[in-house]
Amino acid sequence: EVQLVESGGHLVQPGGSLRLSCVVSGFTFSDYYIDWVRQAPGKGLEWVGRTRNKRRRYTTDYGASVKGRFTLSRHDSEKSVYLQMNSLKTEDTAVYYCVREYQSGGRYYHDAYEMWGRGTMVTVSS
Amino acid sequence: QSVLTQPPSVSAARGQKVTISCSGSSSNIGKEYVSWFQQLPGTVPKLLIYDSDKRPSGIPDRFSGSKSGTSATLGITGLQTGDEADYYCGVWDNSLTAVVFGGGTKLTVL
Repeated sequence: EVQLVESGGHLVQPGGSLRLSCVVSGFTFSDYYIDWVRQAPGKGLEWVGRTRNKRRRYTTDYGASVKGRFTLSRHDSEKSVYLQMNSLKTEDTAVYYCVREYQSGGRYYHDAYEMWGRGTMVTVSS
Repeated sequence: QSVLTQPPSVSAARGQKVTISCSGSSSNIGKEYVSWFQQLPGTVPKLLIYDSDKRPSGIPDRFSGSKSGTSATLGITGLQTGDEADYYCGVWDNSLTAVVFGGGTKLTVL
């Protein structure tokens, strides 16, 4: 069974740091892109960033609102992706989801998020 | 303000059909495939449509997707009360080098 499990969400003060983890199981981790998507309370979906697969050398991209503050890393041996969040702002308050792309017939659809974790809540407040 | 534009809300009677539009630009929808997601109240989003017009296994054929130029459309036929949800379109934007989402559309089944 495919699973993505996020953890690390917490209450943190503005300007603080937090590291989120996403541990996956049930599929070949190195084959897939893993993205993070967040959703502020009562708001829509916002893309946070992407870590590509081994074939794409685990390159990363970030959304404009987090670029320069957030960093993604992945560790194949641990089947984990980490989201290091620095210089946190109140507007970073959201549920953070770890998501996996859809695969069909050997083709990968990078923005079609078939698998979602349950999310982890990050609250930035003084 | 979202890069992709969706109507904030749509409504239709049970059993009828509804469409939800997603308007973008040449740097996103015009070049890339669109995904659609359904988020039922209190739940995690679910993939409904990928590659603009394909359904993952398990998604009923009441749901359909299409794309023309820089716009995409989600269609839902035979509306059920269980379809009441927020619907989001998403696509890669080549100029922003980022995934962008629409602001979401709340569907009400009358």
